[in-house]
Amino acid sequence: QKEVEQNSGPLSVPEGAIASLNCTYSDRGSQSFFWYRQYSGKSPELIMSIYSNGDKEDGRFTAQLNKASQYVSLLIRDSQPSDSATYLCAAVNAGKSTFGDGTTLTVKP
Amino acid sequence: SAVISQKPSRDICQRGTSLTIQCQVDSQVTMMFWYRQQPGQSLTLIATANQGSEATYESGFVIDKFPISRPNLTFSTLTVSNMSPEDSSIYLCSVDRGSMNTEAFFGQGTRLTVV
Repeated sequence: QKEVEQNSGPLSVPEGAIASLNCTYSDRGSQSFFWYRQYSGKSPELIMSIYSNGDKEDGRFTAQLNKASQYVSLLIRDSQPSDSATYLCAAVNAGKSTFGDGTTLTVKP
Repeated sequence: SAVISQKPSRDICQRGTSLTIQCQVDSQVTMMFWYRQQPGQSLTLIATANQGSEATYESGFVIDKFPISRPNLTFSTLTVSNMSPEDSSIYLCSVDRGSMNTEAFFGQGTRLTVV
């Protein structure tokens, strides 16, 4: 079992739809969780962080965390073609980040 | 956020040779990390670079293959030694904000191709 697992892609949604990305983690010692976006050939860039159970909203992005279920998700509302990228989920414990394999999202105009 | 400069940004190397990648941060940071991202895959942590002591390597990575230096709190190098085509990857340096469990900031990466 991988330490951080993401729903297999690729995921394709029409422009304006909601994209839902899911992630589970196995290390219960993980304290922080992050979503990174990575465009092809570029480095990952942070888009959302979440530390506590519940929802956290930032613009079109909502992160959800359920530590009891060891589950993290990212919702992207009103998806745009520019959101097309690979999204990486990361769980952090003692400063060390463990990344999932990523979910590739394509938003079709 | 930290500004991280990594170089070279890309290189094409002959098998059997070595390449040293440099990572410079614009502020002092406690922890620096080196990751590898093989084509189509996610990031795998190679090692944590500690200032004043030897790097801590993850399972599957050894110092002889990936020697790391951390001479001060703003700089680190990763050497990929005796390269083979399997070492063709993107190598990324990252730092955190100095507190535990914070987000990672990444350099722009080094795209290495071994021929």
